[in-house]
Amino acid sequence: KQEVTQIPAALSVPEGENLVLNCSFTDSAIYNLQWFRQDPGKGLTSLLLIQSSQREQTSGRLNASLDKSSGRSTLYIAASQPGDSATYLCAVRQRETSGSRLTFGEGTQLTVNP
Amino acid sequence: EPEVTQTPSHQVTQMGQEVILRCVPISNHLYFYWYRQILGQKVEFLVSFYNNEISEKSEIFDDQFSVERPDGSNFTLKIRSTKLEDSAMYFCASKTTAIYEQYFGPGTRLTVT
Repeated sequence: KQEVTQIPAALSVPEGENLVLNCSFTDSAIYNLQWFRQDPGKGLTSLLLIQSSQREQTSGRLNASLDKSSGRSTLYIAASQPGDSATYLCAVRQRETSGSRLTFGEGTQLTVNP
Repeated sequence: EPEVTQTPSHQVTQMGQEVILRCVPISNHLYFYWYRQILGQKVEFLVSFYNNEISEKSEIFDDQFSVERPDGSNFTLKIRSTKLEDSAMYFCASKTTAIYEQYFGPGTRLTVT
């Protein structure tokens, strides 16, 4: 059974700092990995999706990498801003599931201080 | 930009009552999902739906749960007899076949008293 873990559980940084969020998964036979942002009491906003054949994806100040063989992904946020404060979730899709369910980590709660 | 919508945003119900949570997926999407997130816990998969039938369900999705696409736009989750432990945020998601990302709605907070 796939297990997804995110470290750290919480992170507080000053504005302008570059930071890395970590995600690990136990079963490397994934189809893709998706990073989401969740604001308090709100839904999930998709940030980046990496296919299993890809090593990284970039969108603006965000860069996500994937090392499938070691079961790890990182989300790099450059020049962090207070508006980046949110919980960041990673989720994986297994290759063998026809319904394409996502298995989520518990998230990293990020606070960017002005 | 198209988005997934969900109604109501918050529902309070008494234990044992039936509830129906409603979702309007993005219009050209063909795959539909329900997830839930109990307060302080991970987001958990409940069920996926494609071509008018369930394609996968989790162990959480027991006989108390059902899903339906009653018309061309709505996708519903019914809980027949709610329990206290059903209190959670319920998220609907959808995707097309052409892209791989699942797009999530804002959620319905269900409180069972």
